[in-house]
Amino acid sequence: DTEVTQTPKHLVMGMTNKKSLKCEQHMGHRAMYWYKQKAKKPPELMFVYSYEKLSINESVPSRFSPECPNSSLLNLHLHALQPEDSALYLCASSQDLGRQYFGPGTRLTVT
Amino acid sequence: QKEVEQDPGPLSVPEGAIVSLNCTYSNSAFQYFMWYRQYSRKGPELLMYTYSSGNKEDGRFTAQVDKSSKYISLFIRDSQPSDSATYLCAMTPGESSYKLIFGSGTRLLVRP
Repeated sequence: DTEVTQTPKHLVMGMTNKKSLKCEQHMGHRAMYWYKQKAKKPPELMFVYSYEKLSINESVPSRFSPECPNSSLLNLHLHALQPEDSALYLCASSQDLGRQYFGPGTRLTVT
Repeated sequence: QKEVEQDPGPLSVPEGAIVSLNCTYSNSAFQYFMWYRQYSRKGPELLMYTYSSGNKEDGRFTAQVDKSSKYISLFIRDSQPSDSATYLCAMTPGESSYKLIFGSGTRLLVRP
């Protein structure tokens, strides 16, 4: 089973709201990722956690705050977002280098 | 110049056709190569994963890597309308690198 789950599927939030995106995998993968994808563009890497520690932050604005409570869970906390942050947010996990498995994504709309 | 180049399409073919999707890259350090299929408003699905040069076949799908030419291909035989999606190539040097470099994606439409 190569399933990564994400909740919620859709999220609408105002610019002053605080919300969180959640991701879960039960494949025992050692690395988990957050990506942002705009329409007709490839996924854009935001953060990488390896063995529950943040190993890559692609210069993401501080209004996005990742958290890895344990090896199966990954959260993305959102605060004071801008309308241009509206996108599909994808979680992925991997055991092997390169072989990343993606979740279905959360479609975020910032109003 | 982008590290990975991929024709955005759209590529329109009749049902049953053989489809050829391609990417070129500039970084000779890339060793791991992937093809993802993404349906509209869904997450990318890993289709093929290859290491270094050579061919790999899985059902109707064949992935080819030519490192000497820095060129990778995905062939789809007996294409079906359900194959209509965006196909993304991705690659990484490996060697503790977690970062995938994606092509821009090719949109494929298989006409019934």
